[in-house]
Amino acid sequence: EDKVVQSPLSLVVHEGDTVTLNCSYEVTNFRSLLWYKQEKKAPTFLFMLTSSGIEKKSGRLSSILDKKELFSILNITATQTGDSAVYLCAVAGTGANNLFFGTGTRLTVIP
Amino acid sequence: DTAVSQTPKYLVTQMGNDKSIKCEQNLGHDTMYWYKQDSKKFLKIMFSYNNKELIINETVPNRFSPKSPDKAHLNLHINSLELGDSAVYFCASSQGAGGSPLHFGNGTRLTVT
Repeated sequence: EDKVVQSPLSLVVHEGDTVTLNCSYEVTNFRSLLWYKQEKKAPTFLFMLTSSGIEKKSGRLSSILDKKELFSILNITATQTGDSAVYLCAVAGTGANNLFFGTGTRLTVIP
Repeated sequence: DTAVSQTPKYLVTQMGNDKSIKCEQNLGHDTMYWYKQDSKKFLKIMFSYNNKELIINETVPNRFSPKSPDKAHLNLHINSLELGDSAVYFCASSQGAGGSPLHFGNGTRLTVT
């Protein structure tokens, strides 16, 4: 069965810290891995990764995929209180018009 | 401009009632979804429609019936509501086949008492 496992489940850091969130997966015919940020309402799209070893970057956030070891990491540098959210990892397999989501990592950044 | 909008935002109802949630997207996407998010923030696919045709129907009680009158709309009707149906229901849309980024609505928080 396809599954996505995220770790840690929750994380509390101070402003300015750097965090690394992990996502490992097992999926039939991997197609892509996506990261989302969810604050109070809708999950918002961060990155889509399809190729191994190519880092995607947006400001203080970056992500990379390892298709051999079946995992991805999301890095956030110089964290701010506005980064507090649940970060969701999702994986898609070929032929399935569906994303399998992990249970998320709840990040809390304290001033 | 709201890309994916769903109504209502909140729904409080008693067990046994029937209710509907509506969803509309103005992104021109050809695929729409319903996801259920439980209290632990786990998002699980319920249904997926591509150009008004049902393509995914996960193990969901048949009390849940989606309807897609056109590719911009996907509504969810729930019969005989149960306590366990309490959750946040998200509508989403995407363009293209599996793996494309989903654009989510703001969710409908359903509370069954």
